Amino acid sequence: SQQGEEDPQALSIQEGENATMNCSYKTSINNLQWYRQNSGRGLVHLILIRSNEREKHSGRLRVTLDTSKKSSSLLITASRAADTASYFCATDMDTGRRALTFGSGTRLQVQP
Amino acid sequence: NAGVMQNPRHLVRRRGQEARLRCSPMKGHSHVYWYRQLPEEGLKFMVYLQKENIIDESGMPKERFSAEFPKEGPSILRIQQVVRGDSAAYFCASSPLGAGNSYEQYFGPGTRLTVT
Repeated sequence: SQQGEEDPQALSIQEGENATMNCSYKTSINNLQWYRQNSGRGLVHLILIRSNEREKHSGRLRVTLDTSKKSSSLLITASRAADTASYFCATDMDTGRRALTFGSGTRLQVQP
Repeated sequence: NAGVMQNPRHLVRRRGQEARLRCSPMKGHSHVYWYRQLPEEGLKFMVYLQKENIIDESGMPKERFSAEFPKEGPSILRIQQVVRGDSAAYFCASSPLGAGNSYEQYFGPGTRLTVT
């Protein structure tokens, strides 16, 4: 699999439910970032978690990072129809390159 | 504080023509990154620039593609002699100088290039 691979590829839930998306990566990282992309639009930065952090919260978002398993999860609580979008994790590898490596994303559909 | 600006938002070119995509980073940001996104895929890194310097172009095709970030003005991604396979969304991102090892990249709205 690629660096920054999201799982599942697609997720459909009802409004009010929680949505959990996972991301796995292969190499050491400086940080991991989650982005949202509405169809045909640009990327919106959601949250950055550093390699020495294990959990971070921002509003209805909760991100965890397990560097031993090389994985991260994004939890959206009490989902809304407006949360419908694609969600990408992006890793900043510990190589000094500063380029982000993106996965192919999880397409979330929140049914009203 | 305006975000990352890209123009044009949509660009249609015939095969063999040149495409010029522009990106103005956020105010105070001196690092610019270009990414390409094919339909239903994630973004792929192309090139990383600072003012007047290309730092990392490992993701950019060796031929027909070039990028610059002059001292004054926006960053330009230039694609010469476009082919249908160049059709994609091209995103620019910027980040601030001196943000330490961890920094956020802020993305522009993208330029959707269609080659006919």
